[in-house]
Amino acid sequence: DAKTTQPNSMESNEEEPVHLPCNHSTISGTDYIHWYRQLPSQGPEYVIHGLTSNVNNRMASLAIAEDRKSSTLILHRATLRDAAVYYCILSLSNFGNEKLTFGTGTRLTIIP
Amino acid sequence: DAGVTQSPTHLIKTRGQQVTLRCSPKSGHDTVSWYQQALGQGPQFIFQYYEEEERQRGNFPDRFSGHQFPNYSSELNVNALLLGDSALYLCASSLFGRGVSGYTFGSGTRLTVV
Repeated sequence: DAKTTQPNSMESNEEEPVHLPCNHSTISGTDYIHWYRQLPSQGPEYVIHGLTSNVNNRMASLAIAEDRKSSTLILHRATLRDAAVYYCILSLSNFGNEKLTFGTGTRLTIIP
Repeated sequence: DAGVTQSPTHLIKTRGQQVTLRCSPKSGHDTVSWYQQALGQGPQFIFQYYEEEERQRGNFPDRFSGHQFPNYSSELNVNALLLGDSALYLCASSLFGRGVSGYTFGSGTRLTVV
């Protein structure tokens, strides 16, 4: 299984952009990149996913390197409510019932 | 629209006892997965149920078993509890075949084994 590597922790100031990196050097050509986050005292929640092209939604943007060996989750204007553990997860497809394989994620702290 | 509901929220059990955790999936979802999250770690997959059958299983011993009911709700049973079973147990529901981006998690049950 392809693995992901993320920094253990990051800090950012409130109302500034946050770039959360993820390395996945052994990614295969058909692996999708997903991001989930886990707010304090809650279960994980879906953030965004992509395959090759950069993606935007109401929560965040996902920038995928041209060689797909790394990606970056971008929070454009961090708020205190974005403080969470962010997980970068690979999947073989975007269909089916594949389980989520979590690493230890990046703990994001937002400084007021 | 209710999300995933888990009960109880907290539970304290004694080593050797048995425990049952419950999960009601999000409306419209038919598949339930269970995860165990130890302190400071990411969630680890236990098993997944669809059409009342276990479809996938992670690397967990047979002491962990489950059930899915016709209304799609699910139970996780753990027998002969060990201190190491202390963790947050998360239930995730999804619509069968909709992929990794379609999981909705509950807030979990915090199990403490003493």
